[in-house]
Amino acid sequence: LAKTTQPISMDSYEGQEVNITCSHNNIATNDYITWYQQFPSQGPRFIIQGYKTKVTNEVASLFIPADRKSSTLSLPRVSLSDTAVYYCLVGDGSYNTDKLIFGTGTRLQVFP
Amino acid sequence: SQTIHQWPATLVQPVGSPLSLECTVEGTSNPNLYWYRQAAGRGLQLLFYSVGIGQISSEVPQNLSASRPQDRQFILSSKKLLLSDSGFYLCACYDRDRGPYGYTFGSGTRLTVV
Repeated sequence: LAKTTQPISMDSYEGQEVNITCSHNNIATNDYITWYQQFPSQGPRFIIQGYKTKVTNEVASLFIPADRKSSTLSLPRVSLSDTAVYYCLVGDGSYNTDKLIFGTGTRLQVFP
Repeated sequence: SQTIHQWPATLVQPVGSPLSLECTVEGTSNPNLYWYRQAAGRGLQLLFYSVGIGQISSEVPQNLSASRPQDRQFILSSKKLLLSDSGFYLCACYDRDRGPYGYTFGSGTRLTVV
């Protein structure tokens, strides 16, 4: 599994766009990039997944450059409820991954 | 959809006492099952995972053990707890048929060893 590097923490204010970048220099051809969100005392929940270019859903957008060595999770117009830890994971896209390895994540704090 | 039942929600145990945390899954068959631990302010650490009944893989050597006596039951145990075993324990399951949406986490158990 490719190792990922993320900023430890980020601060933002309500209504702003937040971009969290993840580095994964050793990403393999078959690897997908997945982001999870975790609130305090809860388990992580899936946000978005992509392989290349741009993916958008009702929660976030994921931007992946052509070399795929990094990715950026974009949260539009954050609110206080977006305060959480965000994890970037890189792994096999066959959906038969035996284990999900989380890094330290990025702790996002949204202020009023 | 799959549901994970994990209990208890909180637990305070003395050093040297045994531990048994249970996790059961509904809504899926033959899932991959996982135990994670999260220390205060830290990321998630994978402890054990299982791809089938009786099949356990350990990621981190420690005084904890895991067992899977039934398809949808996963148990985390210890014979003698250490102070360093304190943390937030999460059970998770993965339904291979649901792709990236297939991971579900339980509500967790906050263990404090005193």
